[in-house]
Amino acid sequence: DAGVTQSPTHLIKTRGQQVTLRCSPKSGHDTVSWYQQALGQGPQFIFQYYEEEERQRGNFPDRFSGHQFPNYSSELNVNALLLGDSALYLCASSRQGNTEAFFGQGTRLTVV
Amino acid sequence: DQQVKQNSPSLSVQEGRISILNCDYTNSMFDYFLWYKKYPAEGPTFLISISSIKDKNEDGRFTVFLNKSAKHLSLHIVPSQPGDSAVYFCAARPNFGNEKLTFGTGTRLTIIP
Repeated sequence: DAGVTQSPTHLIKTRGQQVTLRCSPKSGHDTVSWYQQALGQGPQFIFQYYEEEERQRGNFPDRFSGHQFPNYSSELNVNALLLGDSALYLCASSRQGNTEAFFGQGTRLTVV
Repeated sequence: DQQVKQNSPSLSVQEGRISILNCDYTNSMFDYFLWYKKYPAEGPTFLISISSIKDKNEDGRFTVFLNKSAKHLSLHIVPSQPGDSAVYFCAARPNFGNEKLTFGTGTRLTIIP
């Protein structure tokens, strides 16, 4: 049973560019959440998708957007990249209801 | 406003001894608490959780204690092993639905052989 998988594992982008990160949830999970972890900080909630809709959103600008597909996989898009967007981006999946979230290994984004 | 706080950035413990990691929270809406362990270049791995209706939950070498009146929880690892060296994150959320997790800043635990 594959866990949460994210791609790519590492990415280098130039300021102003756009990036798309991908996540496949753990088998049986229907909810995907995205977190940003800056160096030395804990993960910060970006948004959550369930039934292909954004259900919750953290304190992130509209440059951060996402999508969930019918197979429950998800994408995180960031437009007009800033140097401060450099971070580890984590995807977590869970089942609707009171269950623990399982995390992928993350995508390390570096903006230069 | 840091709603979940881990005030010790690092902790060193001798192998075989007890490791105690602490976490404080301020949001009274938090009802469910989790501990995650993170190795470099990996995502956080779920360790143990506790609901606010309990004050203790145990799983093998790991025990989490919750003091709701003090808004404080702790993770005890006994005996500590070298493989326990990692960053430990405390996380909290309301105990309904799939509410977002709010994380602390983490504590780096180093087990000394």
